[in-house]
Amino acid sequence: EAGVAQSPRYKIIEKRQSVAFWCNPISGHATLYWYQQILGQGPKLLIQFQNNGVVDDSQLPKDRFSAERLKGVDSTLKIQPAKLEDSAVYLCASMSSSITEAFFGQGTRLTVV
Amino acid sequence: SQQGEEDPQALSIQEGENATMNCSYKTSINNLQWYRQNSGRGLVHLILIRSNEREKHSGRLRVTLDTSKKSSSLLITASRAADTASYFCATAPQGNQFYFGTGTSLTVIP
Repeated sequence: EAGVAQSPRYKIIEKRQSVAFWCNPISGHATLYWYQQILGQGPKLLIQFQNNGVVDDSQLPKDRFSAERLKGVDSTLKIQPAKLEDSAVYLCASMSSSITEAFFGQGTRLTVV
Repeated sequence: SQQGEEDPQALSIQEGENATMNCSYKTSINNLQWYRQNSGRGLVHLILIRSNEREKHSGRLRVTLDTSKKSSSLLITASRAADTASYFCATAPQGNQFYFGTGTSLTVIP
């Protein structure tokens, strides 16, 4: 089966600019996650969707980050405006309802300069 | 924080030796999982252990869980150079919500 697809793989932007990341989960996976991984740290959960509803967004900086999952399939994560400290790898993962194993995409490496 | 903490932060061993890394967490859990991350790549699921289990094996991996101490360990036996990666524990307070620890960077020297 195809894995979790993310794009772009790399992005460099200036601070105060906007950026958007896209994720296509494994077909049929109801749960979708966005994680932020700063260099040298573990992934930090930003938001979790169940189908197209939000389950947990307690660690999402809502003043600048937003995410949506239209029709319960693809998802986009947006940052507006970006700050230097947003430089990180943004990982998308999905999980089916029947197994408790998350499948991760390759991630998008964001550099804010 | 709901995140766990792994130790050691970094571990370097010779090929063929065993590698042990530990994870401590703070909240009660439904299950605990271990993931591997190769440099510049996404995470790959290794093994899951439920809160009512004490030990689990998968190939060269052995995971233990002590819920009274809120800790888990991952043992990789007969390590190979290909095992070089970062290893993360992920705690799941509820069914499909999980939080990653800080990671252990393992280097296996050929």
